[in-house]
Amino acid sequence: KAGVTQTPRYLIKTRGQQVTLSCSPISGHRSVSWYQQTPGQGLQFLFEYFSETQRNKGNFPGRFSGRQFSNSRSEMNVSTLELGDSALYLCASSSSDSGEWTQYFGPGTRLTVL
Amino acid sequence: DQQVKQNSPSLSVQEGRISILNCDYTNSMFDYFLWYKKYPAEGPTFLISISSIKDKNEDGRFTVFLNKSAKHLSLHIVPSQPGDSAVYFCAASAFNNDMRFGAGTRLTVKP
Repeated sequence: KAGVTQTPRYLIKTRGQQVTLSCSPISGHRSVSWYQQTPGQGLQFLFEYFSETQRNKGNFPGRFSGRQFSNSRSEMNVSTLELGDSALYLCASSSSDSGEWTQYFGPGTRLTVL
Repeated sequence: DQQVKQNSPSLSVQEGRISILNCDYTNSMFDYFLWYKKYPAEGPTFLISISSIKDKNEDGRFTVFLNKSAKHLSLHIVPSQPGDSAVYFCAASAFNNDMRFGAGTRLTVKP
């Protein structure tokens, strides 16, 4: 099986712009979670989608949003980018209906905001 | 490419006994290793870390051991408690670059 893929791998934006990141889960996985990883804050949970519905949400401002399509692919959008949004954004897919089972992480998208 | 592997998807132990979670890696450039703990419906939280200059780091009931020659690290929880039941992820990075995660091991501690 192919692993979790994320596109693009690297992205450079300027403040005020918006960005959309994409994640394709492992075939058959219906749960997709998004995380932000920064050196100072470590790994922080953004949100989880299951069957096109947001099931859980972390403590991030409304500028961060996401969605999931019927094929389980997920997109994350960040509007009005700020310098502090520079980070590695990871997505992880899971086969468990309850979302509590093991997660397979993608390689991440490195976002740099100038 | 799966540079960090947790070959046991699940582990079940009795309360009070030792839990040993294992993690193997392939990239010899990794110099920093972490363990995260994840409860259902929550994001992972940082648990304990170890730098490659050490072979052991201890924090209360949690101890991480690093065997660089075998490219293997393990997390020991002693004594195990029911509240430790969660999914544990190991992660590794090289020179403060992007982190690579294992798929996780689900630990169940039975009362």
